Amino acid sequence: AQSVTQLDSQVPVFEEAPVELRCNYSSSVSVYLFWYVQYPNQGLQLLLKYLSGSTLVKGINGFEAEFNKSQTSFHLRKPSVHISDTAEYFCAVSARGYQLIWGAGTKLIIKP
Amino acid sequence: DGGITQSPKYLFRKEGQNVTLSCEQNLNHDAMYWYRQDPGQGLRLIYYSQIVNDFQKGDIAEGYSVSREKKESFPLTVTSAQKNPTAFYLCASSTGTVNTGELFFGEGSRLTVL
Repeated sequence: AQSVTQLDSQVPVFEEAPVELRCNYSSSVSVYLFWYVQYPNQGLQLLLKYLSGSTLVKGINGFEAEFNKSQTSFHLRKPSVHISDTAEYFCAVSARGYQLIWGAGTKLIIKP
Repeated sequence: DGGITQSPKYLFRKEGQNVTLSCEQNLNHDAMYWYRQDPGQGLRLIYYSQIVNDFQKGDIAEGYSVSREKKESFPLTVTSAQKNPTAFYLCASSTGTVNTGELFFGEGSRLTVL
C-alpha cells in the first residue's frame, strides 16, 4: 500500500524568500508523483508531475520539485515567493493500477 | 471555456434530508470522481466512474450515492445515512484511468448541516 506524508501543516515565509514544502511517500512499487495547489475556496490545480525521466521537474508559477528515490521524497521548492502564492499545497502519489493517495496538505503563509 | 461546473457552491441542509450536488464537465473526459475534503485531512475519494453507467466505491462511500447516465454528468447524493456530512465536496475528471493522476477539478460545493 502507498502512503504520503506532508511533514508540515503550515509553512510561514517572508515575501521574496525561498520556500521548500516537504513530501515523503512510501511504496513498494514505482510511482507517479504530483503536486497540486488549492487557492482559498477553490478546487485544486496541477502544479507539476513526475512520471519518469529527469528527477528535477519544473511546474507552473516558478515552482519545481525534485524526485529522490533513495529518500522517497518529492519536495516542492520556489526560489522567491510572492503574496499570490498563498494557498494550500497537496502532494499526491499514484502507483500504476491504483488510485491517487493524497497528503494532508501544507498551507503556505506569506508574510509581508 | 472547457471545465467542470459544480453547483450549488454553498448548501445548507437539515438533518435527515437528502441533498444532491451537481457536477457537469465539457472536457469530454471519460473518468469522473467525487472527493470529500475536511480540514487537515487532505482529499478522500467517495466514488469514481471510468465510463457511463458504471461507477466504483472509493474509500468513504457509505452514506453517499452517485449515477453516471451521461458522460458529462456525475451527480452526488448525500443521504441521511451519512453521519457527518458537513464538508467541502470536490468533483474532478480525467482523460484516462484513475491512476494517471492528472485531475481537473471544479470549484467545489460546501455543504453545511444545520
